[in-house]
Amino acid sequence: DAKTTQPPSMDCAEGRAANLPCNHSTISGNEYVYWYRQIHSQGPQYIIHGLKNNETNEMASLIITEDRKSSTLILPHATLRDTAVYYCIVRVSDTGRRALTFGSGTRLQVQP
Amino acid sequence: GAVVSQHPSWVICKSGTSVKIECRSLDFQATTMFWYRQFPKQSLMLMATSNEGSKATYEQGVEKDKFLINHASLTLSTLTVTSAHPEDSSFYICSASSGRTNLAKNIQYFGAGTRLSVL
Repeated sequence: DAKTTQPPSMDCAEGRAANLPCNHSTISGNEYVYWYRQIHSQGPQYIIHGLKNNETNEMASLIITEDRKSSTLILPHATLRDTAVYYCIVRVSDTGRRALTFGSGTRLQVQP
Repeated sequence: GAVVSQHPSWVICKSGTSVKIECRSLDFQATTMFWYRQFPKQSLMLMATSNEGSKATYEQGVEKDKFLINHASLTLSTLTVTSAHPEDSSFYICSASSGRTNLAKNIQYFGAGTRLSVL
């Protein structure tokens, strides 16, 4: 799995967009970018993933640069409930027989 | 999305006793489940990979005789912490994937976690 680098912490005002960056300069052509988050004292939650195209779902948008060496997770209208640690994970899409490797993530604090 | 249920959510036990934690995939079959441990202010660390019908694979430094894993069916894996001691107090989390890439692109679904406090 490619190494990822994320800022340790970020703040965002409630109602504003939260943009969480992730660097993955050694990403391989068959590796996907996955984002998970962990709200305090809960298990991680899947948010979104992508290969090369930008993706959007009901939770967030994922913007991947053309060279795929970095990406940004966007929470369009952050709420207090979005306060969590966000993990960017880069890996191939296999049949689920390998565990995820979690780095330190970005601790997002949404301010009222 | 798929649901993984973990039980109990919180357990307090005396030193020397054993504690069993259950992890169930509620709406999909999981041939592989994973057990993680998380200490305060740290990230999740993989303990072991649980394979249905076979022995679990443990990460380096995890005592297999202390952390017993049983994956008897495609929807249930259990982690038993034997002879628990205060240093085993932690947040234990399980996860599972449907294993079908045409279904969910290998998304991992996590239980809510079990907080174990050993007195």
